[in-house]
Amino acid sequence: DAGVIQSPRHEVTEMGQEVTLRCKPISGHNSLFWYRQTMMRGLELLIYFNNNVPIDDSGMPEDRFSAKMPNASFSTLKIQPSEPRDSAVYFCASSSRAFGGVSQETQYFGPGTRLLVL
Amino acid sequence: RKEVEQDPGPFNVPEGATVAFNCTYSNSASQSFFWYRQDCRKEPKLLMSVYSSGNEDGRFTAQLNRASQYISLLIRDSKLSDSATYLCVVTYNTDKLIFGTGTRLQVFP
Repeated sequence: DAGVIQSPRHEVTEMGQEVTLRCKPISGHNSLFWYRQTMMRGLELLIYFNNNVPIDDSGMPEDRFSAKMPNASFSTLKIQPSEPRDSAVYFCASSSRAFGGVSQETQYFGPGTRLLVL
Repeated sequence: RKEVEQDPGPFNVPEGATVAFNCTYSNSASQSFFWYRQDCRKEPKLLMSVYSSGNEDGRFTAQLNRASQYISLLIRDSKLSDSATYLCVVTYNTDKLIFGTGTRLQVFP
């Protein structure tokens, strides 16, 4: 299995520019998660989807951030306009747990996108 | 107060040593507990789940103390390859994982 695929792996942009991060979950997984990791705040959940539907977006920092999941095999996280404080590693993860199920299924993380906003 | 707190370390130990990490969580409604491992500049990966009765996987032992709201991870006979950051994770019977900021372990020869 290819695992979770993220692109780009690295992104350097200037403040004010739009940034789009992409994720392809593991085939057959129906839950997808976007995380942000910084030295100061650690790993934070931004938003997660189940069966392509956003379930919890309470972690999205502000309106500059938006996420979509148009189908089961693709999701995007967009930042518009980007700011230097958005610099972080953004991880996408997927799992096969059914929403509302009892057991917690393992989340598999992608390699991350390292974003630097100048 | 953070929901999940860990000593950031680093813990510097020689090969063969036994090392233990603790993690505390603030929400008594937490239901599932895990340890993830993250290598430098890599993604987090599940190391092991933590059960109320405690569980062991080779050199790794995880314990849960619900009354005191803490979780521990014990690594015996440390290897150089154990050098990584260990992330404590809790959930509340939802898909949402709450991560600690991690404890860094460095094993030296």
